[in-house]
Amino acid sequence: NAGVTQTPKFRVLKTGQSMTLLCAQDMNHEYMYWYRQDPGMGLRLIHYSVGEGTTAKGEVPDGYNVSRLKKQNFLLGLESAAPSQTSVYFCASSYDGRASYNEQFFGPGTRLTVL
Amino acid sequence: GIQVEQSPPDLILQEGANSTLRCNFSDSVNNLQWFHQNPWGQLINLFYIPSGTKQNGRLSATTVATERYSLLYISSSQTTDSGVYFCAGQYGNNRLAFGKGNQVVVIP
Repeated sequence: NAGVTQTPKFRVLKTGQSMTLLCAQDMNHEYMYWYRQDPGMGLRLIHYSVGEGTTAKGEVPDGYNVSRLKKQNFLLGLESAAPSQTSVYFCASSYDGRASYNEQFFGPGTRLTVL
Repeated sequence: GIQVEQSPPDLILQEGANSTLRCNFSDSVNNLQWFHQNPWGQLINLFYIPSGTKQNGRLSATTVATERYSLLYISSSQTTDSGVYFCAGQYGNNRLAFGKGNQVVVIP
């Protein structure tokens, strides 16, 4: 099993450009999450999904959109990138909230730089 | 939301030394996870520990949910233990609230 994978690993954008980050998991998890990590900080939740076709806002959702068209994939979009969105982005997944074991597993991260 | 505080923020250890990292959270959490972020940025799951004590090799963790804190013990530290240790409290819909981390450097 590959676990949680993220594409791409690195990306450089110019201000105003758009892009989509792809997260895929092969563990049949219901819940998926997008976090960002800035220097000297812990991870902060951007958006999350509790199942196929659902999305919800996290702690820092502004400037991002997400979609969960398939259970195994969770996409994070930046419509008009800004330098403040320079960060490392992590995707994670877990079983659903009703399960007794809900450990989150993380992907390797995407390092995004916006010039 | 839940606030998570980790201490100490920075720690330098001589190889072979023991250490304790602490995580306090502001409100009740459903579960607690400890992670190690290695120098390449990868997040490694260490413990999933809502309460009690667990051990994994030279690492062990204790969570006292009623007092809202968790401890991570590193014994006989090695240079490969260097990195940042994060604790994260789990709340509604399995969301995680992270602390800012403990930066650990183990010198030979």
